[in-house]
Amino acid sequence: SQQGEEDPQALSIQEGENATMNCSYKTSINNLQWYRQNSGRGLVHLILIRSNEREKHSGRLRVTLDTSKKSSSLLITASRAADTASYFCATGFGNEKLTFGTGTRLTIIP
Amino acid sequence: DAEITQSPRHKITETGRQVTLACHQTWNHNNMFWYRQDLGHGLRLIHYSYGVQDTNKGEVSDGYSVSRSNTEDLPLTLESAASSQTSVYFCASSDRGVQDGELFFGEGSRLTVL
Repeated sequence: SQQGEEDPQALSIQEGENATMNCSYKTSINNLQWYRQNSGRGLVHLILIRSNEREKHSGRLRVTLDTSKKSSSLLITASRAADTASYFCATGFGNEKLTFGTGTRLTIIP
Repeated sequence: DAEITQSPRHKITETGRQVTLACHQTWNHNNMFWYRQDLGHGLRLIHYSYGVQDTNKGEVSDGYSVSRSNTEDLPLTLESAASSQTSVYFCASSDRGVQDGELFFGEGSRLTVL
C-alpha cells in the first residue's frame, strides 16, 4: 500500500502559471522526496526535504513539509511546457525503502 | 558518465514462461531496487538489495526473484509469467540509506504477458 497520496491526480494549467501539488502520508518519516517522470521515462529525483525542515527551494521548485499534518506540497513557479510530467512524492523512515504515491499528472498548456 | 541501464526495454512473452529483466548500474551503488508501475497503483516495491548476496522481499514479491552476485547487477526473474505481471518495471539504485539519499532510476522495461 502507498504511504503517500498525491492530490490532485491531474492538473492542467497555462504556461507561466504556478503549479501546486500536495502529498499526504500516514506514518512518521525521516524525509520526503519528490520525483518527476516524463512520459515513457524513468523517475528523476527533484528534491529531498528532511523531517526537521519546513521549506526547501531548488530553482523554480519550492517544497514545504508539515509533519503535524503529515503533508507536503510541491510548488513549481513560472511553469514551462517542459514541466509536463507526472510528479511523485516518496517517503522514507529509518533505513526502510522508499514508498511512492500514485502521482499527480501535470499538463502545461502552451 | 555513470548510469543505470535496463534490458530489454520491451518484451512480450507467454503465460508460464520464465523471464529475466536485467539491471546494470555503473555507479558502484550498494543499494538496488526493483519496482513495478501500474496505473492506479503508483510504484510498488518488488525486491531490493543492500549489497552483494543480500536480497529482500518488497510488498509485491510473489512470483519474482532476484539475485545479487556483484555490485553492478540485480536481475529480476519471473519464474512463471502470469498476465497479472504485465507492467512496466523500473530498476533503481542509491549509494546511501533512504534517510539520506535519492534513487537513480533506469528507463524501464515494459513487459507484456499474453
